[in-house]
Amino acid sequence: QKEVEQNSGPLSVPEGAIASLNCTYSDRGSQSFFWYRQYSGKSPELIMFIYSNGDKEDGRFTAQLNKASQYVSLLIRDSQPSDSATYLCAVGGYNKLIFGAGTRLAVHP
Amino acid sequence: DVKVTQSSRYLVKRTGEKVFLECVQDMDHENMFWYRQDPGLGLRLIYFSYDVKMKEKGDIPEGYSVSREKKERFSLILESASTNQTSMYLCASQDVSGANVLTFGAGSRLTVL
Repeated sequence: QKEVEQNSGPLSVPEGAIASLNCTYSDRGSQSFFWYRQYSGKSPELIMFIYSNGDKEDGRFTAQLNKASQYVSLLIRDSQPSDSATYLCAVGGYNKLIFGAGTRLAVHP
Repeated sequence: DVKVTQSSRYLVKRTGEKVFLECVQDMDHENMFWYRQDPGLGLRLIYFSYDVKMKEKGDIPEGYSVSREKKERFSLILESASTNQTSMYLCASQDVSGANVLTFGAGSRLTVL
């Protein structure tokens, strides 16, 4: 069974701090890695994707991938209360993605 | 922007009823998916389709069927709804020509009484 594991949280950080969200996966053949954000009662929306080892930055968000250790992380710099949501990690090859259960992030003023 | 439209946001059905959940995407994507999302379990793949009239079972296909008669439309069917099918159902469309990103519809929250 291919698995994607995330800490369910909640991860609580003060406004302005860096939030670090982690994800591990079991399938070494995975090729694509995604982070989605999901607000309560809404559907997931894409934040970032990463395919290669290393870091990828987009604004306040940085995705980090380490295929040897089979983990992918998301850093959110200068966290804002509007970042409070559940963050879903998704891992896969062609066609199919497997989602983690998500980490709930709470950014408090 | 890709738009994925799910026909019903909220449905309440009785045990044994037949339920249709419709999903339409407007970007000519080949791949479409149906997931269900339950607290603590994340998104679980029910079925996906990579072309018209083509379908493949996901991780939890039992109790569900799908139909894809046109490229833009992917329907999920519960032949005889049961209370354990009470869930949030999410349809997604995938752009396989680029980054393989999934774009989700707004979701359909189904309650089976």
